[in-house]
Amino acid sequence: DAGITQSPRHKVTETGTPVTLRCHQTENHRYMYWYRQDPGHGLRLIHYSYGVKDTDKGEVSDGYSVSRSKTEDFLLTLESATSSQTSVYFCAIRGGGTEAFFGQGTRLTVV
Amino acid sequence: AQKVTQAQTEISVVEKEDVTLDCVYETRDTTYYLFWYKQPPSGELVFLIRRNSFDEQNEISGRYSWNFQKSTSSFNFTITASQVVDSAVYFCALTHDSNYQLIWGAGTKLIIKP
Repeated sequence: DAGITQSPRHKVTETGTPVTLRCHQTENHRYMYWYRQDPGHGLRLIHYSYGVKDTDKGEVSDGYSVSRSKTEDFLLTLESATSSQTSVYFCAIRGGGTEAFFGQGTRLTVV
Repeated sequence: AQKVTQAQTEISVVEKEDVTLDCVYETRDTTYYLFWYKQPPSGELVFLIRRNSFDEQNEISGRYSWNFQKSTSSFNFTITASQVVDSAVYFCALTHDSNYQLIWGAGTKLIIKP
């Protein structure tokens, strides 16, 4: 157990509404990541953080923003949800080595 | 550009057969890391192995083994004497930069029939 908790685990929301997903870690790791998983694409990086208030964009960052005000929390916000953002979202931390450890995932449906 | 290709979308074998999952990668970097992750039907992502670009030794862990060949840019995964519990989607991934962003293959769905 890498000490990563994602909330909520499931969410259904309407098009155009803002949505925030939360990732909480108990391991005090510096690096945190948000990925989305879609059929046929594997996982794709949305945003990542390398410290408090230090974030950067990943491959598919359009329509998403992030914030990290504390080491343990990394928030992903969909400013105005669209149906193309229906996906499974995974948060990850980088452990002591180079491997990443993942949360349980959040299944988001935008209707 | 960095890229990971898992050409096998789905593999189905009968229990106790050996099965190899292919992973081919592209990178211009001399220092990089390769990974395999398992995603069982329950959905979580489970780390299996990491390999750095300077270590071409094959790795064996129980029924699992990995073959890393830089000459062919491949990092293949073999399960010996497969079991139903091995049924999952397996992902190969690559990281190369100082921020350790992972680049993923599309995954191979492995079905082990009893």
